[in-house]
Amino acid sequence: QVQLQESGPGLVKPSQTLSLTCTVSGGSISSSYYYWTWIRQHPGKGLEWIGYIYYSGSTHYNPSLKSRLSMSVDTSKNQFSLELSSVTAADTAVYYCAALVMVRGVIDLDYWGQGTLVTVSS
Amino acid sequence: DIQMTQSPSSLSASVGDRVTITCRASQNIGKYLNWYQQKPGKAPKLLISAASSLQSGVPSRFSGSGSGTDFTLTINSLQPEDFATYYCQQTYSTPYTFGQGTKLEIK
Repeated sequence: QVQLQESGPGLVKPSQTLSLTCTVSGGSISSSYYYWTWIRQHPGKGLEWIGYIYYSGSTHYNPSLKSRLSMSVDTSKNQFSLELSSVTAADTAVYYCAALVMVRGVIDLDYWGQGTLVTVSS
Repeated sequence: DIQMTQSPSSLSASVGDRVTITCRASQNIGKYLNWYQQKPGKAPKLLISAASSLQSGVPSRFSGSGSGTDFTLTINSLQPEDFATYYCQQTYSTPYTFGQGTKLEIK
């Protein structure tokens, strides 16, 4: 059973860079089955897909965030990370990491971290 | 981006009721449609993938149907633990967008 845990600052100042890490346990981040995904949820709102990274380093970002977004993977630590630059209050949200599975034509988010609230405020 | 529209946005029902939530895609997505349940303060949980495939461990009172642009999630004989918010998600093309959610409340 894959487990994921987000970590990072809960408070970021406007115009700075939001950085989060997701630690994967119970499975290898180098598994070919998983695409390591970030999703966020603005307070009291719905879910927004941010993007994913494969263990090889290939990425796929939401075009709405692409210009400010960077993801990376550290196979030695079984972790993947998110960086979102030039943040504003609109980036305040609960950020989830998740494992996207693509198997036999089925694509879904099988495993989720518990989520971490990031507030953008001075 | 593919837009996903759920209806209703909120729903009141009683234990034992049968409820249906609808999700409509802005274009044909085949059966690339998943359903998630989210309880307050918790991460979403995958219930159904590929429109109708029930995940292991999910009670059989949950079922999904549809293809193309119109999909439904049905919950038979509502239990107290089913009161939550439900989201559909398309995984036909990136960005893998979600519906706005349907909040299921106790009547």
